[in-house]
Amino acid sequence: NAGVTQTPKFRILKIGQSMTLQCAQDMNHNYMYWYRQDPGMGLKLIYYSVGAGITDKGEVPNGYNVSRSTTEDFPLRLELAAPSQTSVYFCATQPGTNQPQHFGDGTRLSIL
Amino acid sequence: GENVEQHPSTLSVQEGDSAVIKCTYSDSASNYFPWYKQELGKGPQLIIDIRSNVGEKKDQRIAVTLNKTAKHFSLHITETQPEDSAVYFCAASGAGNQFYFGTGTSLTVIP
Repeated sequence: NAGVTQTPKFRILKIGQSMTLQCAQDMNHNYMYWYRQDPGMGLKLIYYSVGAGITDKGEVPNGYNVSRSTTEDFPLRLELAAPSQTSVYFCATQPGTNQPQHFGDGTRLSIL
Repeated sequence: GENVEQHPSTLSVQEGDSAVIKCTYSDSASNYFPWYKQELGKGPQLIIDIRSNVGEKKDQRIAVTLNKTAKHFSLHITETQPEDSAVYFCAASGAGNQFYFGTGTSLTVIP
């Protein structure tokens, strides 16, 4: 039981490049989330999904896109990387409303 | 939307002493309050949570209290140990199912 798996763990991008951050879960949780964590700050919600085929914007969605074609996977897409997107990205799952979220170990992304 | 404030941002205690971290929230509709511990290079891990129908919850050396009237909740760690050193985050969640996180407290336990 791997829980929440994020790949890659580290990545360096050039400005203007694109990439997809992968998130996979094996807990059959309906709810999935993408956060970014900047130094000295809490977690800011980028996008979330309450089930396959359903996605919604969070607090800081600009510059990102998501899709949810299966329960297991929730990829996050950066189309035109900008230095402001340098951050640590966390994926989380949740079994239901007002239940604990389960986090992956993050993807550390630097854009130069 | 919800606004969660967390204090202090850093906290140093001697091993064996207690540590207290406080959070306030703004949305009276919030009804679920988890606490997470984040170690270096890892994702946050749930350590304890409390729901709005409960005023206090305890799990061994860790306890959380909730004051709905004042809109604040606190984490209490007793008999601190070096392995308690980490960053701790509070969060609040309500009907919209979004979690709003505090900015974190870096706890250092000095042996």
